[in-house]
Amino acid sequence: DQQVKQNSPSLSVQEGRISILNCDYTNSMFDYFLWYKKYPAEGPTFLISISSIKDKNEDGRFTVFLNKSAKHLSLHIVPSQPGDSAVYFCAAKNYGGSQGNLIFGKGTKLSVKP
Amino acid sequence: ETGVTQSPTHLIKTRGQQVTLRCSSQSGHNTVSWYQQALGQGPQFIFQYYREEENGRGNFPPRFSGLQFPNYSSELNVNALELDDSALYLCASSLGGGKGDIQYFGAGTRLSVL
Repeated sequence: DQQVKQNSPSLSVQEGRISILNCDYTNSMFDYFLWYKKYPAEGPTFLISISSIKDKNEDGRFTVFLNKSAKHLSLHIVPSQPGDSAVYFCAAKNYGGSQGNLIFGKGTKLSVKP
Repeated sequence: ETGVTQSPTHLIKTRGQQVTLRCSSQSGHNTVSWYQQALGQGPQFIFQYYREEENGRGNFPPRFSGLQFPNYSSELNVNALELDDSALYLCASSLGGGKGDIQYFGAGTRLSVL
C-alpha cells in the first residue's frame, strides 16, 4: 500500500531543457511535501518543499507544483544541467499524525545528457 | 557547522548476530530519525527520537531499537539479524517539530547480512 508513488523509475533529458518529475499520493491528510536528491554513496539532500496551503514554490532553477484535488505534485528543473543527474525522491508528511514520519516514493533516476 | 555523520559506512554481519549503528546529528538539532532503504526502494521510517525519548515508530519489529544521548547523537540497534535486514540505514536530524521542519540526512551505513 504505497501512499507516495513515483511512477517513472527513470527520466532522460537534454542539457538546457526542462526536467519534470512527477509524484502522486493517496493520503489526503498529508500537509507537507518535500523533494530530496540523492547521489550515489551520499545521503538524500533536501531540495525544496511545499506546504499544502500553497500550489507553487520556487527556488532558483527548481519549482514544485502541488495539485491537491488531483493529489499530484511535480518538480520542474529549468534549465537542466548534467550535475542534476541523480535519484529524486518525493516525500510527504502528515503533521497531524506521526511527527517524524516522512513517507517516501521509490524515486526517479534523472539523467541529464550534455 | 558539521552535518550528519554516520558510522560505520559499511558493515557485514551474519544471520542471528546483533549490530549497532551510530549517528551524530547536525549541530543544534535535537531530533534524530532513522530510515531503512532497501535496494530500489525509497527510505522507510523506522523511528524517531526527540530529546532522548522515542517520538514515533514505523512498522518495524521490536528487535529494531534505538537510543538518543544527551548530546543528541543516536544509535540504532538490530538484534537477531535476518537476511532481509540487508539495506542502507539512513539517519536524519532536524530541529524538531513544526510544519517547516526539514530532515537532513547522513550518507548512511550499508549493512549486508550473510
